Amino acid sequence: GQNIDQPTEMTATEGAIVQINCTYQTSGFNGLFWYQQHAGEAPTFLSYNVLDGLEEKGRFSSFLSRSKGYSYLLLKELQMKDSASYLCAVIGNNRLAFGKGNQVVVIP
Amino acid sequence: ETGVTQTPRHLVMGMTNKKSLKCEQHLGHNAMYWYKQSAKKPLELMFVYNFKEQTENNSVPSRFSPECPNSSHLFLHLHTLQPEDSALYLCASSPRDRGNEKLFFGSGTQLSVL
Repeated sequence: GQNIDQPTEMTATEGAIVQINCTYQTSGFNGLFWYQQHAGEAPTFLSYNVLDGLEEKGRFSSFLSRSKGYSYLLLKELQMKDSASYLCAVIGNNRLAFGKGNQVVVIP
Repeated sequence: ETGVTQTPRHLVMGMTNKKSLKCEQHLGHNAMYWYKQSAKKPLELMFVYNFKEQTENNSVPSRFSPECPNSSHLFLHLHTLQPEDSALYLCASSPRDRGNEKLFFGSGTQLSVL
């Protein structure tokens, strides 16, 4: 099976940087997704990592270390609209499994 | 707007009722999914359809019955549900049913079973 662990909640200040961690255990690893989900809305795709290293996309960056079973999502220049749940999802043996999500609350 | 539309957005039903959830995607995708999202729990995959054929049933109780008449539409028929079935039910689609495909989600149906 797959095991995915994310912290449940964090609070950060507008304009700051926040790092959301995800650790996983799986066999047949074939990639990791990050999704953003605002309350009452659809989860939306943020990033996909399959090789080690950092992928940067505007204010959001995602990092993967396959040997450590670890990924993080980095949010820079936080805005109030970034308050949301951030879901880590891992592909193992061609099956996608989600973590519980990390609720990020941005305060003024 | 993700291109995946779910109706209704909210549903309250008694344990003896029969209701259906509807999902429609306008993306030309061939794979469609039902997920269950409960508070404090990971998204749970329920069913997968690929080219209208069910390819996965993740040990879901028979009180949940999916239907996929074509690649653009997916239904979830509900009958004699239990209070623990209260959750957000999300529909998703992707170009194909492969693990590394990006999923496009609908906004979900928030279901309350009384």
